[in-house]
Amino acid sequence: GAGVSQSPSNKVTEKGKDVELRCDPISGHTALYWYRQRLGQGLEFLIYFQGNSAPDKSGLPSDRFSAERTGESVSTLTIQRTQQEDSAVYLCASSLGVLAVNEQFFGPGTRLTVL
Amino acid sequence: AQTVTQSQPEMSVQEAETVTLSCTYDTSESDYYLFWYKQPPSRQMILVIRQEAYKQQNATENRFSVNFQKAAKSFSLKISDSQLGDAAMYFCAYRRLMNYGGSQGNLIFGKGTKLSVKP
Repeated sequence: GAGVSQSPSNKVTEKGKDVELRCDPISGHTALYWYRQRLGQGLEFLIYFQGNSAPDKSGLPSDRFSAERTGESVSTLTIQRTQQEDSAVYLCASSLGVLAVNEQFFGPGTRLTVL
Repeated sequence: AQTVTQSQPEMSVQEAETVTLSCTYDTSESDYYLFWYKQPPSRQMILVIRQEAYKQQNATENRFSVNFQKAAKSFSLKISDSQLGDAAMYFCAYRRLMNYGGSQGNLIFGKGTKLSVKP
Protein backbone atom coordinates (compact mmCIF):
# COMPACT_ATOMS: atom_id res chain seq x y z
CA GLY A 1 0.00 0.00 0.00
CA ALA A 2 1.04 3.58 -0.53
CA GLY A 3 -0.36 5.03 2.67
CA VAL A 4 1.36 6.41 5.75
CA SER A 5 2.74 3.67 7.94
CA GLN A 6 3.79 3.77 11.59
CA SER A 7 5.65 1.38 13.80
CA PRO A 8 5.30 -0.15 16.24
CA SER A 9 1.54 -0.43 16.36
CA ASN A 10 1.61 -0.75 20.13
CA LYS A 11 4.36 -0.07 22.63
CA VAL A 12 4.36 -0.79 26.34
CA THR A 13 7.22 0.63 28.34
CA GLU A 14 8.19 1.29 31.92
CA LYS A 15 8.29 4.75 33.41
CA GLY A 16 11.69 6.34 32.90
CA LYS A 17 12.59 4.43 29.73
CA ASP A 18 13.15 6.06 26.34
CA VAL A 19 10.97 5.15 23.36
CA GLU A 20 11.27 5.78 19.64
CA LEU A 21 8.28 5.88 17.31
CA ARG A 22 8.61 5.69 13.54
CA CYS A 23 6.62 7.20 10.69
CA ASP A 24 6.97 6.41 6.99
CA PRO A 25 5.14 9.09 4.99
CA ILE A 26 3.68 8.73 1.54
CA SER A 27 6.42 9.01 -1.07
CA GLY A 28 6.74 12.53 -2.42
CA HIS A 29 5.00 14.19 0.51
CA THR A 30 7.14 17.07 1.71
CA ALA A 31 5.15 17.94 4.82
CA LEU A 32 4.97 15.68 7.87
CA TYR A 33 3.09 16.24 11.11
CA TRP A 34 3.08 14.45 14.47
CA TYR A 35 -0.03 14.58 16.69
CA ARG A 36 -0.82 13.13 20.09
CA GLN A 37 -4.25 11.78 21.01
CA ARG A 38 -4.91 11.19 24.69
CA LEU A 39 -7.79 8.94 25.71
CA GLY A 40 -11.12 10.61 25.01
CA GLN A 41 -9.48 13.69 23.52
CA GLY A 42 -8.94 15.19 20.12
CA LEU A 43 -5.56 15.31 18.45
CA GLU A 44 -2.91 17.76 19.68
CA PHE A 45 -0.27 19.04 17.30
CA LEU A 46 3.31 18.21 18.33
CA ILE A 47 5.76 18.98 15.54
CA TYR A 48 5.90 19.70 11.82
CA PHE A 49 8.50 19.16 9.10
CA GLN A 50 8.48 20.76 5.68
CA GLY A 51 11.17 19.69 3.22
CA ASN A 52 14.61 20.74 4.40
CA SER A 53 13.36 23.64 6.50
CA ALA A 54 13.87 23.75 10.24
CA PRO A 55 11.02 21.92 11.96
CA ASP A 56 8.34 23.73 13.91
CA LYS A 57 8.60 22.31 17.42
CA SER A 58 6.08 24.66 18.99
CA GLY A 59 3.69 21.88 20.00
CA LEU A 60 6.17 19.67 21.84
CA PRO A 61 5.01 19.44 25.48
CA SER A 62 8.45 19.22 27.06
CA ASP A 63 12.14 18.87 26.28
CA ARG A 64 11.79 15.13 26.75
CA PHE A 65 10.16 15.05 23.32
CA SER A 66 12.19 15.36 20.13
CA ALA A 67 11.76 14.37 16.51
CA GLU A 68 13.91 13.99 13.44
CA ARG A 69 13.26 13.56 9.78
CA THR A 70 15.70 12.44 7.13
CA GLY A 71 15.11 14.59 4.07
CA GLU A 72 11.57 13.94 2.90
CA SER A 73 11.36 10.40 4.18
CA VAL A 74 11.16 8.63 7.50
CA SER A 75 10.57 10.51 10.75
CA THR A 76 11.17 9.34 14.30
CA LEU A 77 9.61 10.77 17.44
CA THR A 78 11.64 10.13 20.58
CA ILE A 79 10.33 10.44 24.11
CA GLN A 80 13.00 10.32 26.79
CA ARG A 81 12.40 9.33 30.41
CA THR A 82 8.78 8.45 29.71
CA GLN A 83 6.10 9.41 32.21
CA GLN A 84 2.64 7.94 32.69
CA GLU A 85 1.07 11.09 31.26
CA ASP A 86 2.83 10.30 27.97
CA SER A 87 0.44 7.37 27.46
CA ALA A 88 -1.50 8.16 24.30
CA VAL A 89 -1.85 7.32 20.64
CA TYR A 90 0.77 9.10 18.52
CA LEU A 91 -0.39 9.80 14.98
CA CYS A 92 1.66 10.87 12.02
CA ALA A 93 0.30 12.59 8.92
CA SER A 94 1.87 13.62 5.63
CA SER A 95 0.79 15.89 2.80
CA LEU A 96 2.06 17.06 -0.57
CA GLY A 97 2.66 20.52 0.82
CA VAL A 98 1.61 22.88 3.53
CA LEU A 99 -1.24 24.64 1.79
CA ALA A 100 -4.63 24.05 3.35
CA VAL A 101 -5.80 22.50 0.10
CA ASN A 102 -3.21 19.74 0.58
CA GLU A 103 -4.98 16.93 2.38
CA GLN A 104 -3.22 15.42 5.38
CA PHE A 105 -3.12 11.63 5.19
CA PHE A 106 -2.86 9.91 8.54
CA GLY A 107 -1.15 6.73 9.60
CA PRO A 108 -2.77 4.20 11.96
CA GLY A 109 -0.85 5.53 14.95
CA THR A 110 1.25 4.01 17.71
CA ARG A 111 -0.47 3.34 21.01
CA LEU A 112 2.04 4.05 23.79
CA THR A 113 1.38 2.76 27.28
CA VAL A 114 3.71 3.82 30.08
CA LEU A 115 3.44 1.64 33.17
CA ALA B 1 -5.69 31.17 19.34
CA GLN B 2 -8.24 29.10 17.51
CA THR B 3 -10.41 26.58 19.35
CA VAL B 4 -12.85 23.92 18.20
CA THR B 5 -15.73 22.69 20.36
CA GLN B 6 -17.82 19.58 19.89
CA SER B 7 -20.55 19.61 22.52
CA GLN B 8 -21.91 16.11 21.89
CA PRO B 9 -19.62 13.43 23.37
CA GLU B 10 -21.90 10.68 22.05
CA MET B 11 -24.69 10.38 19.51
CA SER B 12 -26.83 7.50 18.34
CA VAL B 13 -28.80 6.99 15.14
CA GLN B 14 -30.98 4.28 13.70
CA GLU B 15 -29.75 2.67 10.51
CA ALA B 16 -31.09 4.50 7.41
CA GLU B 17 -31.97 7.60 9.46
CA THR B 18 -30.28 11.01 9.44
CA VAL B 19 -28.07 12.42 12.16
CA THR B 20 -26.41 15.80 12.66
CA LEU B 21 -23.16 16.31 14.57
CA SER B 22 -22.43 19.78 15.93
CA CYS B 23 -19.22 21.78 15.87
CA THR B 24 -18.46 25.37 16.77
CA TYR B 25 -15.15 27.16 16.53
CA ASP B 26 -13.57 30.39 17.57
CA THR B 27 -11.28 32.46 15.36
CA SER B 28 -10.53 36.05 14.49
CA GLU B 29 -9.37 35.12 10.99
CA SER B 30 -11.59 35.61 7.96
CA ASP B 31 -10.32 32.77 5.81
CA TYR B 32 -9.60 29.20 6.83
CA TYR B 33 -10.52 25.59 6.18
CA LEU B 34 -12.80 23.33 8.18
CA PHE B 35 -12.82 19.55 8.12
CA TRP B 36 -14.69 16.56 9.44
CA TYR B 37 -12.61 13.44 10.05
CA LYS B 38 -13.84 9.96 10.86
CA GLN B 39 -11.82 7.67 13.16
CA PRO B 40 -13.00 4.05 13.29
CA PRO B 41 -11.62 1.62 15.91
CA SER B 42 -8.67 0.97 13.59
CA ARG B 43 -7.48 4.49 14.62
CA GLN B 44 -7.01 5.54 11.00
CA MET B 45 -8.18 9.16 10.54
CA ILE B 46 -10.20 9.46 7.35
CA LEU B 47 -11.16 12.77 5.78
CA VAL B 48 -14.94 12.92 5.36
CA ILE B 49 -15.54 16.41 4.04
CA ARG B 50 -13.82 19.79 3.71
CA GLN B 51 -15.14 23.35 3.58
CA GLU B 52 -13.29 26.48 2.51
CA ALA B 53 -14.49 29.43 4.56
CA TYR B 54 -14.61 31.78 1.57
CA LYS B 55 -17.13 29.52 -0.15
CA GLN B 56 -20.73 30.18 0.83
CA GLN B 57 -21.98 26.95 -0.68
CA ASN B 58 -22.10 24.05 1.76
CA ALA B 59 -19.85 21.13 0.87
CA THR B 60 -21.41 17.77 0.03
CA GLU B 61 -19.87 14.32 -0.40
CA ASN B 62 -22.44 11.64 -1.19
CA ARG B 63 -24.38 11.00 2.06
CA PHE B 64 -22.35 13.58 3.98
CA SER B 65 -23.08 17.29 3.94
CA VAL B 66 -22.28 20.27 6.12
CA ASN B 67 -24.19 23.28 7.35
CA PHE B 68 -21.58 26.03 7.45
CA GLN B 69 -22.71 29.18 9.24
CA LYS B 70 -19.71 31.52 9.11
CA ALA B 71 -21.19 34.35 11.16
CA ALA B 72 -22.23 31.93 13.89
CA LYS B 73 -18.93 30.03 13.59
CA SER B 74 -20.82 26.79 13.30
CA PHE B 75 -19.96 23.78 11.14
CA SER B 76 -22.29 20.82 11.58
CA LEU B 77 -22.10 17.49 9.75
CA LYS B 78 -25.22 15.76 8.47
CA ILE B 79 -25.09 12.06 7.68
CA SER B 80 -28.05 10.83 5.64
CA ASP B 81 -29.16 7.22 5.25
CA SER B 82 -26.86 6.16 8.10
CA GLN B 83 -25.07 2.85 7.66
CA LEU B 84 -23.50 0.49 10.19
CA GLY B 85 -20.10 1.38 8.77
CA ASP B 86 -20.61 5.01 9.78
CA ALA B 87 -20.14 4.08 13.43
CA ALA B 88 -16.94 5.80 14.57
CA MET B 89 -15.50 8.85 16.33
CA TYR B 90 -16.02 12.03 14.33
CA PHE B 91 -13.69 14.97 14.74
CA CYS B 92 -14.20 18.52 13.60
CA ALA B 93 -10.97 20.34 12.71
CA TYR B 94 -9.82 23.84 11.79
CA ARG B 95 -6.83 24.74 9.66
CA ARG B 96 -5.29 28.18 9.29
CA LEU B 97 -4.07 29.40 5.96
CA MET B 98 -0.30 29.63 5.47
CA ASN B 99 -0.48 33.34 4.69
CA TYR B 100 -1.28 34.04 8.33
CA GLY B 101 1.85 34.59 10.35
CA GLY B 102 2.90 31.68 12.52
CA SER B 103 0.71 29.17 10.78
CA GLN B 104 2.28 25.85 9.94
CA GLY B 105 -0.82 24.28 8.54
CA ASN B 106 -1.44 21.98 11.46
CA LEU B 107 -4.99 20.93 12.21
CA ILE B 108 -6.76 22.06 15.39
CA PHE B 109 -9.20 19.40 16.55
CA GLY B 110 -12.28 19.21 18.74
CA LYS B 111 -12.62 16.43 21.29
CA GLY B 112 -14.80 14.33 19.04
CA THR B 113 -18.26 12.78 18.96
CA LYS B 114 -18.74 9.04 19.21
CA LEU B 115 -21.44 7.96 16.77
CA SER B 116 -23.27 4.67 17.24
CA VAL B 117 -25.52 3.23 14.54
CA LYS B 118 -28.31 0.90 15.63
CA PRO B 119 -29.44 -1.84 13.23
